[in-house]
This record gives sequence, structure tokens and C-alpha cells, in this order.
Amino acid sequence: AQSVTQLDSQVPVFEEAPVELRCNYSSSVSVYLFWYVQYPNQGLQLLLKYLSGSTLVESINGFEAEFNKSQTSFHLRKPSVHISDTAEYFCAVSDNKAAGNKLTFGGGTRVLVKP
Amino acid sequence: DAGVIQSPRHEVTEMGQEVTLRCKPISGHDYLFWYRQTMMRGLELLIYFNNNVPIDDSGMPEDRFSAKMPNASFSTLKIQPSEPRDSAVYFCASSKASSYNSPLHFGNGTRLTVT
Repeated sequence: AQSVTQLDSQVPVFEEAPVELRCNYSSSVSVYLFWYVQYPNQGLQLLLKYLSGSTLVESINGFEAEFNKSQTSFHLRKPSVHISDTAEYFCAVSDNKAAGNKLTFGGGTRVLVKP
Repeated sequence: DAGVIQSPRHEVTEMGQEVTLRCKPISGHDYLFWYRQTMMRGLELLIYFNNNVPIDDSGMPEDRFSAKMPNASFSTLKIQPSEPRDSAVYFCASSKASSYNSPLHFGNGTRLTVT
């Protein structure tokens, strides 16, 4: 079984400032890692994912996350946030032996971008 | 592509009543998931289907909850009788295959309030 811990439940940040959302996971097997974003009153959308290869993965809207196996972490960063990045962000993990995209989610981090 | 469609968006009911939540997955997707989101417990996987067959229902909280998928384009999650602790946002999600290159697509959720 896996578990995911998102250390910050809320992160207020000013527009154009950097932001880091922390995610740690535990698993007894190799995993795949994901970040999903949930905008107000919407479902979750995939932001980025790590399956294999380069430990640094990027999204199309400027977010990046780095897989660190020794620290069992997958922190999400953005060097300069916009008002439109206000949302809740979920880290998720899947056992690479599991079928069908069965994900375990963290508790979420709510990002509030202030002008 | 209309996305995953859930109905109703909001449901308010009294304790003891039956509640039925509905989901139409994206056409061609053969995996369907039901998640529940609460402040206390975050996102929990309740059950998932592959080709209309329930694969893992270990997350279903108790016998009051049941889910069906009579065909590839429709699924229901039923709670009978409902209780105030069932109040949550219920999400349906679908994916194309058992592949991590096929992300989960979430509906906008049904917000259930049981009084």
C-alpha cells in the first residue's frame, strides 16, 4: 500500500513570486507520481507526471516537479505564479504494478495567489 | 469531446433517503472510477470498473453504498439510506486504458448534502 503526505494544506503567495508545494510518499514498491490541479467547482486535471527517465518533469504552464527517490519526494514548483494559478493541487502515487490508473491522493494544498 | 458528465451537480436530501449519483464517462474509455472528497479524509477511491465490471470495491465504506455500470456509457453510485456523514463531493473519472500515459479525466463532481 502507498500513502502520500502533502505537508502544507494552504500556501498563500503573491503574484509573480515563486511557489513550492511539498509532497512525500511512502511505498514498498516502485511508483509512478502525479500532480493534479483542481480549479474552483471543477474536477481534477492532470498537471504533470513522472513515470521513468528524467527526474525533472515539466507542465505546459510553467510548473515543474522533481522526483527524488532517496527522499521519497515529488515537490512541485513554479518560479513565478499568476492569479490564474489559484487552485488546489493534489499529489498522487500509483503502484507501478497496479492496473487501471488506481491512484492514491494526498490531502491537497490550496494555493491562493494574491495580487 | 464532452468530457466526463456527472449529474446532478448538487443534491440536498434528508437522512434516510435514497440518493443516486450518475456518471457518463468519455466515449471509448474503458475504466471508470468513483472518488469521494471530504475535508477530513481528502480524496478516497470508492470503486472502479473495467469494461463495465467492478474490479475493486474495497473503498466502498459500507453496505449502504452500491455502484453499477450497466453499459459502457453509464454508471450510478447509490446510497441507501443516506446519512449526514455521507455529505461530500463525489467525483467520477474515466481513463482509456490501464496505462499511465492515459490520465484520469474527472467530471465536475456532485456535491451531496445530507441533513
